[in-house]
Amino acid sequence: KNEVEQSPQNLTAQEGEFITINCSYSVGISALHWLQQHPGGGIVSLFMLSSGKKKHGRLIATINIQEKHSSLHITASHPRDSAVYICAVDSQFYFGTGTSLTVIP
Amino acid sequence: GAVVSQHPSRVICKSGTSVKIECRSLDFQATTMFWYRQFPKQSLMLMATSNEGSKATYEQGVEKDKFLINHASLTLSTLTVTSAHPEDSSFYICSAGQGLKYGYTFGSGTRLTVV
Repeated sequence: KNEVEQSPQNLTAQEGEFITINCSYSVGISALHWLQQHPGGGIVSLFMLSSGKKKHGRLIATINIQEKHSSLHITASHPRDSAVYICAVDSQFYFGTGTSLTVIP
Repeated sequence: GAVVSQHPSRVICKSGTSVKIECRSLDFQATTMFWYRQFPKQSLMLMATSNEGSKATYEQGVEKDKFLINHASLTLSTLTVTSAHPEDSSFYICSAGQGLKYGYTFGSGTRLTVV
């Protein structure tokens, strides 16, 4: 069993849809990271959060420490949001397997 | 914001040769740098953690004599893949930061192909 589980593995959405990606973890953490990996492989750090909720543009990340669960939401999705989204926890940097998102125009 | 430069972005080398990958923090001092590798369609795997001025800490299963890591300054860490073999072909990514409180920034990655 992986220390970090993400769902769904693959997601296809129509442009404009509200998207949710979930992450559950089994280890104790100080912070959780949401990363975006583009087709070329480059990685961008979207959020680092240890409690509550953070918002940046159309992206919202929430975390529930007691339930060991985090969600990444994308509002008004756009084709340029197509990427792999990865959840990572700071306990020795365990990574989820990623969610491949495709947004169709 | 914090910027981490990694290069080369792509490298092709012959089997048996060594390849050096650089990771630089451009506008901050990185006390800690991490090196990861990612095989196709798989998640990132932490290879090693390096702290400036000390020896890197390698994850279980990572050969320290094959993957040489040097973190000689607060802005530069290098990963050298020695005597590369085709099975070393992978995507290597670094991240750098100043600790959990401030977060970490990822480099853009290096795609290594050993032929």
